[in-house]
Amino acid sequence: NAGVTQTPKFQVLKTGQSMTLQCAQDMNHEYMSWYRQDPGMGLRLIHYSVGAGITDQGEVPNGYNVSRSTTEDFPLRLLSAAPSQTSVYFCASSYNSPYTGELFFGEGSRLTVL
Amino acid sequence: GQQLNQSPQSMFIQEGEDVSMNCTSSSIFNTWLWYKQDPGEGPVLLIALYKAGELTSNGRLTAQFGITRKDSFLNISASIPSDVGIYFCAGPAYFRDDKIIFGKGTRLHILP
Repeated sequence: NAGVTQTPKFQVLKTGQSMTLQCAQDMNHEYMSWYRQDPGMGLRLIHYSVGAGITDQGEVPNGYNVSRSTTEDFPLRLLSAAPSQTSVYFCASSYNSPYTGELFFGEGSRLTVL
Repeated sequence: GQQLNQSPQSMFIQEGEDVSMNCTSSSIFNTWLWYKQDPGEGPVLLIALYKAGELTSNGRLTAQFGITRKDSFLNISASIPSDVGIYFCAGPAYFRDDKIIFGKGTRLHILP
């Protein structure tokens, strides 16, 4: 019962470094998305994908890249990390549209940028 | 852009008390979703509402889709310790059912 798996769970970066947060789901879900959670700000949508080969921007896409080459995986890339990207990142997936279907979230990846 | 405003931001209650929280927007939503996040976990869907005026229950939880389509309410009856967490409302931004946005959450604390 893996569901949505995020790696790493914790990461510390220096300003300017790059890294990729991995997200994989084993539920054959078409829809996947990335959110960031900051204190007092709730969950903000970064990028999402409605299927392999299709991605789109959310509310706060700047500084992040995504791609969706397979149904299972949806990595989030930070090309040049900034302290403002210190946050907890959640990956979520849904069988079809999250409007009609439930979003299943991973356990989160806590990123600190120094 | 579209925003969902939740109140209160936090609540401190005694075990056994009933809880009410709400979510409002300046624009119309055609779906209201309520999620709960336990400490250290990702959010989990509690209730989904699709029709203005709809009242839906899930155990001790009851949620309503406001008639104006600009608000929604969540009530928890007879709170228990495991109700502690953050409650989020969510909905599709600009009627885009693939773009779900969340409110800032209501954090529920239960006093011993």
